Amino acid sequence: NAGVTQTPKFRILKIGQSMTLQCTQDMNHNYMYWYRQDPGMGLKLIYYSVGAGITDKGEVPNGYNVSRSTTEDFPLRLELAAPSQTSVYFCASSYSRSQSYGYTFGSGTRLTVV
Amino acid sequence: AQTVTQSQPEMSVQEAETVTLSCTYDTSESNYYLFWYKQPPSRQMILVIRQEAYKQQNATENRFSVNFQKAAKSFSLKISDSQLGDTAMYFCASMSGSQGNLIFGKGTKLSVKP
Repeated sequence: NAGVTQTPKFRILKIGQSMTLQCTQDMNHNYMYWYRQDPGMGLKLIYYSVGAGITDKGEVPNGYNVSRSTTEDFPLRLELAAPSQTSVYFCASSYSRSQSYGYTFGSGTRLTVV
Repeated sequence: AQTVTQSQPEMSVQEAETVTLSCTYDTSESNYYLFWYKQPPSRQMILVIRQEAYKQQNATENRFSVNFQKAAKSFSLKISDSQLGDTAMYFCASMSGSQGNLIFGKGTKLSVKP
């Protein structure tokens, strides 16, 4: 199984540019999440989705947008890149809100905004 | 709001010895779950061990075990017979029963020395 796949793995953006981070999972998980990890910090939740067509904000949503048109895909959009968005981005999914399962994570996207 | 605190930014241990990583958390929920994730240099987030708050028995997974002190809100990870492959960042995380989003601590960087 591929699990959770994120693309690209690395990207350099100029200030003001836009891009979409792709995330897809093949486990038929209803729940998907986007986190960012800044140096020396833990992961912070940006957005999450409990199913196709349903998304909600996490702790740090400003500057980002998401959509969930299918169960498999949960792209993260940066509209006007800023240096503060330099980070490593992780997508994750889970089978249900039954918390004992934990999450399955992708391998991350390292984004640098210059 | 939930918080997770890891007070040890870095630790080191000799190969084959035992090391304990500390974690404290705060939550007003009665139903919650606790996790330890490992992040090796590859950046992949790997679930090490999980604990349901309603279970008094400490979770164990091979060389990894936890010391869950519910009254003290403490959730430490013990790694026995440390191996070079255990070198990684370790993140403690909690998830409330009502919300279902993982909240992470800032992590502890563990180095296993030969």
